[in-house]
Amino acid sequence: GAVVSQHPSRVICKSGTSVKIECRSLDFQATTMFWYRQFPKQSLMLMATSNEGSKATYEQGVEKDKFLINHASLTLSTLTVTSAHPEDSSFYICSARDRPATNEKLFFGSGTQLSVL
Amino acid sequence: DAKTTQPPSMDCAEGRAANLPCNHSTISGNEYVYWYRQIHSQGPQYIIHGLKNNETNEMASLIITEDRKSSTLILPHATLRDTAVYYCIVGGSGSARQLTFGSGTQLTVLP
Repeated sequence: GAVVSQHPSRVICKSGTSVKIECRSLDFQATTMFWYRQFPKQSLMLMATSNEGSKATYEQGVEKDKFLINHASLTLSTLTVTSAHPEDSSFYICSARDRPATNEKLFFGSGTQLSVL
Repeated sequence: DAKTTQPPSMDCAEGRAANLPCNHSTISGNEYVYWYRQIHSQGPQYIIHGLKNNETNEMASLIITEDRKSSTLILPHATLRDTAVYYCIVGGSGSARQLTFGSGTQLTVLP
């Protein structure tokens, strides 16, 4: 099946630094990718929808200037957490569907555990 | 997207069938039922999906009631590695449609 690769799997950074997370579709093209965040013992919450060649769409309450999303190609979307603070510590997961897609399944990356000290 | 209701936790003996229920009484006619699972600290894994008919693949079976207001995921022979949080999600079609996750069911397979 299709594979979504996410990197890095784990990152520890100091407060105030920026962290970039990459999400790649390895064997298919994805015009749309989704970024989720998951806090301990909670479900996944959608942060934003990443659109190839255009601006991302953010969910209510998610700061677009803090969570920068770039989807420059059909196989790569990046999420940059700018000026990270301890409250940004979370598990970040990306996902994508095959093209063309009707009701096909959503494939997920393995996730990135971000710890901000 | 329609909301789903699942029991928060279930236990199952190893080797036995695990039957995970899901209620989605507000599902609309063009919404599919998807099942994913998440093992601790990993990304969700696709299991199965369906619209109206029952579905079966190498991982599981999906039974959808005739009125489509509920469904059951069946793992025919549960193993310890099936211990995970199982999410039942209903969603519409199209590549740009995201999936909204509920709280899921923590399935624990006991030796």
